[in-house]
This record gives sequence, structure tokens and C-alpha cells, in this order.
Amino acid sequence: GAVVSQHPSRVICKSGTSVKIECRSLDFQATTMFWYRQFPKQSLMLMATSNEGSKATYEQGVEKDKFLINHASLTLSTLTVTSAHPEDSSFYICSASGQPNTEAFFGQGTRLTVV
Amino acid sequence: GENVEQHPSTLSVQEGDSAVIKCTYSDSASNYFPWYKQELGKRPQLIIDIRSNVGEKKDQRIAVTLNKTAKHFSLHITETQPEDSAVYFCAASSAGGYQKVTFGTGTKLQVIP
Repeated sequence: GAVVSQHPSRVICKSGTSVKIECRSLDFQATTMFWYRQFPKQSLMLMATSNEGSKATYEQGVEKDKFLINHASLTLSTLTVTSAHPEDSSFYICSASGQPNTEAFFGQGTRLTVV
Repeated sequence: GENVEQHPSTLSVQEGDSAVIKCTYSDSASNYFPWYKQELGKRPQLIIDIRSNVGEKKDQRIAVTLNKTAKHFSLHITETQPEDSAVYFCAASSAGGYQKVTFGTGTKLQVIP
């Protein structure tokens, strides 16, 4: 199946700093990618839809100025957590699919710890 | 927007027994319903999916049923094995979209040897 690669898999950062997470589709082009956040023992919550060449669409309650999304090419979307705080510590995961209503492939996820 | 509810939140079964997880969705326009298995700290893995033009789909020990009228869909695992222990998520996809997936709350399945 298609491969979505996410990097880094783990990151620890200090409060107030910014962290960038990359999501790449390795063998297909993804016009749209999705970013999710998962807190321990909870479900995956959609944060935003990343659209190649245009602004991301954020879900209600997600601060767009805090979670910056850039989708500069058909194979790469980045999520930057700006001015990170301990409450931003979570598992962030991206997904992408090449065609509508087909299987979405997930990246391996990024465990962010803000200290 | 879409809302997906999932029950039960935890499920323990004896090895060899069957496990059933149920979900409901709210958006009648949703037409793609995947099920994911997630092991601790890992990415969700698709285990089976069903589209709204099909009522039932089976893949070895796993089956999914869909009732569009009632907006219900269920996952059935037969002859459970310890390696089936994980968290399972149902999901629903917005019709016509590029996989904007709304997940259920998850079911932690424990298969007792």
C-alpha cells in the first residue's frame, strides 16, 4: 500500500519554543492531508485539513496561529507547533490518500513532549 | 459536521470467543466507513472498510455490517486471539471528500488467553 512518512517520531522541546513536524507521501501525490492529535487513551481528533497550494482549514477550537500548517507540494505538509506549552504535549499524526473515499494512510505519528 | 459514537469503550473476551463493536454516525452523506486497529504508540492500521452501497463485508475472521437506514455499523471479530488485543476505532468519511475522517471514541479490546 501507499506510504506516508512522518518525521520526527519523537521530540522533546522546551516551553516557548517551536517544533516542526513533517508529513510526506512517498509514492503518491496528496492534494489533501489531514493532521490529528491524540491524547493518551483518547481518540484521534482532527485538527486541520491541509490543502496543497492554499490555506489550511482548521477545525473548531484549533488555534491556527499556534498550529501553522504549510502544504507547499503534493507530497509534503508540515505542522509547526509555535510557542509550545506542556499542554501541547500529545501524539500528532497525519494522514493522506491519493483518491477520494479510499483508504487513508497514516504517518507513524510524532510524540511531542514539552517540558 | 459528522459525529461518530462507538460502544463499548472496553471489551474483554476469552480467546476463541467473538467480539462485537458498534458504531453510529450522524451524517447521512457519509459513504465510507473504515475500521482501524491501533497498538500502543503506533499509527492506526486499516483492518477493514465498507462503503455505503454494501451491507456486509468479510475478511477471514473480521466482518463489518452496515445499516444505512439506522446509521449503524458494526465490527465482528470471530475466534479472537491474544494478538487481536488493541484499540479499535470506527470512522466515517464525508461523501465526496478526500478522506476527512471522523473517528469514534475507540474500544480497547482485551483477549484473555
